[in-house]
Amino acid sequence: AQKVTQAQTEISVVEKEDVTLDCVYETRDTTYYLFWYKQPPSGELVFLIRRNSFDEQNEISGRYSWNFQKSTSSFNFTITASQVVDSAVYFCALSEIGKTSGSRLTFGEGTQLTVNP
Amino acid sequence: DVKVTQSSRYLVKRTGEKVFLECVQDMDHENMFWYRQDPGLGLRLIYFSYDVKMKEKGDIPEGYSVSREKKERFSLILESASTNQTSMYLCASSFSRTTRETQYFGPGTRLLVL
Repeated sequence: AQKVTQAQTEISVVEKEDVTLDCVYETRDTTYYLFWYKQPPSGELVFLIRRNSFDEQNEISGRYSWNFQKSTSSFNFTITASQVVDSAVYFCALSEIGKTSGSRLTFGEGTQLTVNP
Repeated sequence: DVKVTQSSRYLVKRTGEKVFLECVQDMDHENMFWYRQDPGLGLRLIYFSYDVKMKEKGDIPEGYSVSREKKERFSLILESASTNQTSMYLCASSFSRTTRETQYFGPGTRLLVL
């Protein structure tokens, strides 16, 4: 069975601090995708990134960066110079192959990030 | 831009009522999903559909049913609402069932069952 673990339930930082959100996954698939979503207080999940299991290159997008390490089954997310607007719940997710559908996701429990001014 | 809409942001119902939650996507996506989100439990898949009139059970289908009569619309039905179905319900869609396409989410419906 697939599993995603986000061990940090809540993180609180002060604005401009860097913060890393951890994600560890378990899967028997050799090919899979990993995702990060952001859920602001409004409730809608916003897609941030998708990473193919064959591509272990780190990715940077502005203040956001992602570190994918297949050897440790981790896909961590770092926000540099955090801002109050980064306050949200962040979810890590893993795709799996179903019998009839190829895009079912398994989500972690989420990490509540609070950035204080 | 992908647009997924849900019929209500907030809903209050009484125990035993039949409840319909509607979801519409405008990007011709094949797959549609219903999740519920509860504190400490993350998102749990209720049902999904990979084609019109097709449906598959997710992890927690008990007490729910779904309907997909048109490609763009996926309805979640609570046949007889109970207080333990008070939750946040999120609809999502993705393009193709043969690839691991990104799921795009609607704004969610917060359902309170009294």
